[in-house]
Amino acid sequence: DTGVSQDPRHKITKRGQNVTFRCDPISEHNRLYWYRQTLGQGPEFLTYFQNEAQLEKSRLLSDRFSAERPKGSFSTLEIQRTEQGDSAMYLCASSPRQDGYTFGSGTRLTVV
Amino acid sequence: RKEVEQDPGPFNVPEGATVAFNCTYSNSASQSFFWYRQDCRKEPKLLMSVYSSGNEDGRFTAQLNRASQYISLLIRDSKLSDSATYLCVVTDGADSWGKLQFGAGTQVVVTP
Repeated sequence: DTGVSQDPRHKITKRGQNVTFRCDPISEHNRLYWYRQTLGQGPEFLTYFQNEAQLEKSRLLSDRFSAERPKGSFSTLEIQRTEQGDSAMYLCASSPRQDGYTFGSGTRLTVV
Repeated sequence: RKEVEQDPGPFNVPEGATVAFNCTYSNSASQSFFWYRQDCRKEPKLLMSVYSSGNEDGRFTAQLNRASQYISLLIRDSKLSDSATYLCVVTDGADSWGKLQFGAGTQVVVTP
């Protein structure tokens, strides 16, 4: 499978716990994006990377969220001290130069 | 005010009919425009890019009006499998490869 891969597909965690998600982009894609989607809304931008450099982080993202792409390949998104409001689908997308952003299947997070 | 506004629908369409809907965007510097399709609890998938000259892909036709800052999608000869949420997507600002701004989606329901 040469698409964008995300792991895990589902995560249920207790409030206050830390969680980490992984995204493996399409191998030749330089840019990698993280989005969050809640029910009835379109995906909301969180952050993005070009190779290993994090180019932008949303103002909406609290300090509890951190993302890395250490070798310019896979990326991780960590949420510390999870809250119920963090429950959402976390989507990763990758893109080559211009045109065509490919999304992974997402990680659905439920904070109980 | 949201960056990308869409009529949420639902648009209930008899099979074989034509349906059209549009969205408006607020950032006049946006350079790239897309329609994505999203099925329930799945990731968004690129339906088509939208060009200033208008473009067609089979039964789907997209138009861009930069002066009025709106994008349209028309679906001809609707199929049951066209039932989905259609997300209007623009790049944020002058970077045509940059982060994406999504509308909340227009739901289309094609009925037999």
